[in-house]
Amino acid sequence: NAGVMQNPRHLVRRRGQEARLRCSPMKGHSHVYWYRQLPEEGLKFMVYLQKENIIDESGMPKERFSAEFPKEGPSILRIQQVVRGDSAAYFCASSPHGPDTQYFGPGTRLTVL
Amino acid sequence: ELKVEQNPLFLSMQEGKNYTIYCNYSTTSDRLYWYRQDPGKSLESLFVLLSNGAVKQEGRLMASLDTKARLSTLHITAAVHDLSATYFCAVDKSGGSNYKLTFGKGTLLTVNP
Repeated sequence: NAGVMQNPRHLVRRRGQEARLRCSPMKGHSHVYWYRQLPEEGLKFMVYLQKENIIDESGMPKERFSAEFPKEGPSILRIQQVVRGDSAAYFCASSPHGPDTQYFGPGTRLTVL
Repeated sequence: ELKVEQNPLFLSMQEGKNYTIYCNYSTTSDRLYWYRQDPGKSLESLFVLLSNGAVKQEGRLMASLDTKARLSTLHITAAVHDLSATYFCAVDKSGGSNYKLTFGKGTLLTVNP
């Protein structure tokens, strides 16, 4: 059983561009969580999604950030008009039956030039 | 805002020695996690501590939780090189719903022969 997959692993964007980060949960998992790790800080919760639903987005910045988890396909974290402060590692986790032990992906390192 | 502080942030130790990593958190929580991360890899769940006084052990690692002091410790006994990794503690701040984790900055452990 493959683990949580994230791609790309590294992403470089210029200021003002869009960044799309993808997360494929483990097989059979229908709950996805996104976290952000800024330099020199711990991971912080951003959003919790089930298939086609956002359960809790209280950790998401109010502007430019959005997330979805469609019925088919991976979960997508989208950052519009990126700024240098968005440079961070973005981790996705999944769980099978709702809030439970979370299994993490390897992360996407976003660098904004 | 919930704060989770780990110390030390960097730990270099010799094989065979013992040491402890500390995790303090600022608000009440009944669930604390320890994760391990190897460079470029996913976070791996080590322990989930659910109640005051909980102690769990796996191999050379032992974790404990004191909810009154808001303190968890990860004790390493007779370290070996394979334990070199970054260790994170995380606290659930979703009121028991078990998904809104806040992480410490991590402790980078290097075990030298």
